[in-house]
Amino acid sequence: AQSVTQPDIHITVSEGASLELRCNYSYGATPYLFWYVQSPGQGLQLLLKYFSGDTLVQGIKGFEAEFKRSQSSFNLRKPSVHWSDAAEYFCAVGGGYGGSQGNLIFGKGTKLSVKP
Amino acid sequence: EAGVAQSPRYKIIEKRQSVAFWCNPISGHATLYWYQQILGQGPKLLIQFQNNGVVDDSQLPKDRFSAERLKGVDSTLKIQPAKLEDSAVYLCASSLVRREQFFGPGTRLTVL
Repeated sequence: AQSVTQPDIHITVSEGASLELRCNYSYGATPYLFWYVQSPGQGLQLLLKYFSGDTLVQGIKGFEAEFKRSQSSFNLRKPSVHWSDAAEYFCAVGGGYGGSQGNLIFGKGTKLSVKP
Repeated sequence: EAGVAQSPRYKIIEKRQSVAFWCNPISGHATLYWYQQILGQGPKLLIQFQNNGVVDDSQLPKDRFSAERLKGVDSTLKIQPAKLEDSAVYLCASSLVRREQFFGPGTRLTVL
């Protein structure tokens, strides 16, 4: 069955510290992988996406993620966290765009708190 | 470029009542999605439209939920009658065909 696991429900980091949010997926075909961020009362904003090619992808707001097929993982990283990064982060997998393959399967999310 | 618009932003109803949500996608986006996000969980797809046709509604509880997309633009999602477990945020997203999804701010529904 297709699924996404985000093992950390809540993470707290100090401002300026590095961050890594974990994501593992189960998908029968070649996956398209995404990270979204959701601030309170807001919709989801796309941080970055992986389709193919270079396994290290750069996104907005200084985020990057690395696709590791052998580990079925797509972890999100940021070298120095800012207080404004406090939000909930969702990893998602899909089979691509269009038709039923356009549907995204989301993890349960990781809530990030940033302490001064 | 205007984003995905949704209304209302908040709605409180009693169980067994009916409710409707409205979504206006980004202009030109042929694909429209409705997701349900229950507190503490990630969004779950309810229905996907391509223009005004349904592509996937396999996870839509059809005994109480319905959705339509007239003229391939705006869409409405209806719940009738509502149950307590329908309390959630309902997210609308749109995309060009074979492109990334853009999400609206959502409608937070509370069923008492």
